[in-house]
Amino acid sequence: QAVVTQEPSVTVSPGGTVTLTCGSSTGPVTSGHYPYWFQQKPGQAPRTLIYDASNRHSWTPARFSGSLLGGKAALTLSDAQPEDEAEYYCLLSYSGSRLVVFGGGTKLTVL
Amino acid sequence: EVQLVESGGGLVQPGGSLRLSCAASGFSFSDYWMAWVRQAPGKGLEWVANIKQDGSGKFYVDSLKGRFTISRDNRKNELYLQMNSLRVEDTAVYYCARNHGKDYWGQGTLVTVSS
Repeated sequence: QAVVTQEPSVTVSPGGTVTLTCGSSTGPVTSGHYPYWFQQKPGQAPRTLIYDASNRHSWTPARFSGSLLGGKAALTLSDAQPEDEAEYYCLLSYSGSRLVVFGGGTKLTVL
Repeated sequence: EVQLVESGGGLVQPGGSLRLSCAASGFSFSDYWMAWVRQAPGKGLEWVANIKQDGSGKFYVDSLKGRFTISRDNRKNELYLQMNSLRVEDTAVYYCARNHGKDYWGQGTLVTVSS
């Protein structure tokens, strides 16, 4: 089974910019993995921020952007706000959605 | 408004069974893949299973194959997860999600497996 890797924890200053990454044990992450990014705050359900690598939902703040970068999926947060402090998860699909794997999550601290 | 509401969670003894339901509303349920995702206390998200629009394709995480069964009733707009031979490590909040988690999620239902 594929393993999806994320940084365990990252800290960003208020107003700063940070990039979280999502890698695959099987090789480079491509658009064919349909990367998704989720935000989860304590006691809440996950909320999907980015789908298909770079598409935002209507509810996704514009300061969040997704991309493919150096063989990984990436989530960039610009102008970080205190309310962005949360756990962020990525998800990759393999074999046409027959296998779907979450990354272990990145705890983002805004400090 | 899209809504996904899970139910059926609770306390069950090891070896027992439980069936979770997810009631969908606000969209054409039969047009979408659906999925179950779980989260053990203090842990990350784990994919459990997903199911095609007409129920003809069902896919599971390897570790759960044979114990869990995903199904759906497009007439009732409901998604199900039948969980058998439950283990302590199956204790988690179980979420249903639309479209592989691409957009909408339910609020989850807690399953506790304990003697």
